[in-house]
Amino acid sequence: DAGVIQSPRHEVTEMGQEVTLRCKPISGHDYLFWYRQTMMRGLELLIYFNNNVPIDDSGMPEDRFSAKMPNASFSTLKIQPSEPRDSAVYFCASSFEFYNEQFFGPGTRLTVL
Amino acid sequence: SQELEQSPQSLIVQEGKNLTINCTSSKTLYGLYWYKQKYGEGLIFLMMLQKGGEEKSHEKITAKLDEKKQQSSLHITASQPSHAGIYLCGADIADSNYQLIWGAGTKLIIKP
Repeated sequence: DAGVIQSPRHEVTEMGQEVTLRCKPISGHDYLFWYRQTMMRGLELLIYFNNNVPIDDSGMPEDRFSAKMPNASFSTLKIQPSEPRDSAVYFCASSFEFYNEQFFGPGTRLTVL
Repeated sequence: SQELEQSPQSLIVQEGKNLTINCTSSKTLYGLYWYKQKYGEGLIFLMMLQKGGEEKSHEKITAKLDEKKQQSSLHITASQPSHAGIYLCGADIADSNYQLIWGAGTKLIIKP
């Protein structure tokens, strides 16, 4: 398996633009997690899915953030409109069970100017 | 997260020396995960500890879980340049609403 795949690896956009981050989890994993990592706040869980269903989105900072998982092999995290404070590295991770090892993707480094 | 404190925040160690990183929870600890991250990359799973007193080893890295102290320690023996990176602990703790809580990370630099 290729592991968790994220795209793009880097994204630079201007404030107000829509940003879409993509994730392909490891096949067979039932859980998918979206994280954000910044120097100030460290690693934060934004939302996680179980069998494509969002379970807990309490970490999503604002209504500007939305996440979907239309099928078991694809998820998106969308920010609309983006703001400079959204600049961070966004990670997607997947796991077989909730308390199992999470496999992380390489991350998307987002810069909002 | 203040619920999960990692110490030290950073560490510079001479190659070949041993070192220890700690992860302490302010609440009851049910399970703990250690990950390593290199700059610009994702997190790589190292070990998962779930029982009090449990100890696991992978190559030259050993992690222990002390339930009474609500703490885990990660020990590296005879450090090598390949050990450099950021070590993060993630924990399943009481009242975490079924989420893993993450420490702020320990940055490890190995001096040749």
